[in-house]
Amino acid sequence: EDQVTQSPEALRLQEGESSSLNCSYTVSGLRGLFWYRQDPGKGPEFLFTLYSAGEEKEKERLKATLTKKESFLHITAPKPEDSATYLCAVQAGGSARQLTFGSGTQLTVLP
Amino acid sequence: NAGVTQTPKFRVLKTGQSMTLLCAQDMNHEYMYWYRQDPGMGLRLIHYSVGEGTTAKGEVPDGYNVSRLKKQNFLLGLESAAPSQTSVYFCASGDRPGANVLTFGAGSRLTVL
Repeated sequence: EDQVTQSPEALRLQEGESSSLNCSYTVSGLRGLFWYRQDPGKGPEFLFTLYSAGEEKEKERLKATLTKKESFLHITAPKPEDSATYLCAVQAGGSARQLTFGSGTQLTVLP
Repeated sequence: NAGVTQTPKFRVLKTGQSMTLLCAQDMNHEYMYWYRQDPGMGLRLIHYSVGEGTTAKGEVPDGYNVSRLKKQNFLLGLESAAPSQTSVYFCASGDRPGANVLTFGAGSRLTVL
């Protein structure tokens, strides 16, 4: 059974204070690891896909990295507009291609 | 280009009532999914479809039924609503080879009294 565990559950940062979110996973045949951002009252919005260990992707203040057991979402010099819940998900091999999600990290960046 | 549209956005039901949530996508995607999101439990897959006329069970299918009569639409039905089905429901679609990036709708908040 595919499993995804995210930590911490919640994180409060001061503006400009860099940090990292963790996503640990177990999956049979990883097809891809996904990071989504979810704002209150909205659906998840796609950020990154990582395919293999050692891969990195960047977008503005966010950088995602992947190892064989976990992924990190690094946030450099965050701003209040980065406040959101960040969701990690894995996609295994198979025809359905569904995502298995972690419960998310709720990030609050204080001005 | 609307992407994925869910209706209704909010609904309150009494125990035992029935209803249908509609998901429509305009991206010509083959794959469509219904998830529910509950506090502290993340998104859980209810049912999914890999193409028009097909449906399959996900992780938490009990109490729900689905239909995919047209490629662009995926309907989620509750025949006899229960308070345990109070949740936020998200529809998603995707259609890429390899890793399938999903596009989500804005969600439908359902309360069962």
